[in-house]
Amino acid sequence: EPEVTQTPSHQVTQMGQEVILRCVPISNHLYFYWYRQILGQKVEFLVSFYNNEISEKSEIFDDQFSVERPDGSNFTLKIRSTKLEDSAMYFCASRRSGINYNSPLHFGNGTRLTVT
Amino acid sequence: SQQGEEDPQALSIQEGENATMNCSYKTSINNLQWYRQNSGRGLVHLILIRSNEREKHSGRLRVTLDTSKKSSSLLITASRAADTASYFCATDPSNFGNEKLTFGTGTRLTIIP
Repeated sequence: EPEVTQTPSHQVTQMGQEVILRCVPISNHLYFYWYRQILGQKVEFLVSFYNNEISEKSEIFDDQFSVERPDGSNFTLKIRSTKLEDSAMYFCASRRSGINYNSPLHFGNGTRLTVT
Repeated sequence: SQQGEEDPQALSIQEGENATMNCSYKTSINNLQWYRQNSGRGLVHLILIRSNEREKHSGRLRVTLDTSKKSSSLLITASRAADTASYFCATDPSNFGNEKLTFGTGTRLTIIP
């Protein structure tokens, strides 16, 4: 069964550094998402992406964050200048969806980001 | 309270018993979904129930939805040690499947062998 893959599984970075988290969504999916989870707590929405542009973003997704789909397969999340509070698990998800078609999200296994 | 709150926050039961988790939400929905998360892993979809459905079954899972009370419950029957995980409900407002899902706070389920 196709799956969403994320790399790296763990990223350690120093405060102020830029990080790029990578995701390969399922190939025939149309909608892409980033969520984050701070140490087993609530799963928080960051941003959704469709047709090569951001559909919706949360308050967390400030101007330090950006997303990109540079080619037909990868979907990246960039944090320009990391803060300690950015330490979390970052999950990429995708879904196919369509008119009158309710589909679940397919999640990757996440990237654990540790900012020191 | 926040959109999508599960209760209890944590639940420990003996293997073989049934586990019931509840979810409350605030806004209107098109469907509600339940997900499972093993420790340190991504979320895995379990079951989806549409707003015009009241109950749905999938194997040992039974989900109910009461839109008048804005609540849902997930029942796992005949629990197994492998069911130990966190369970999240998620609300989907869209008929087109193009909007974000909003997740609850989760219930951490521990099955004691």
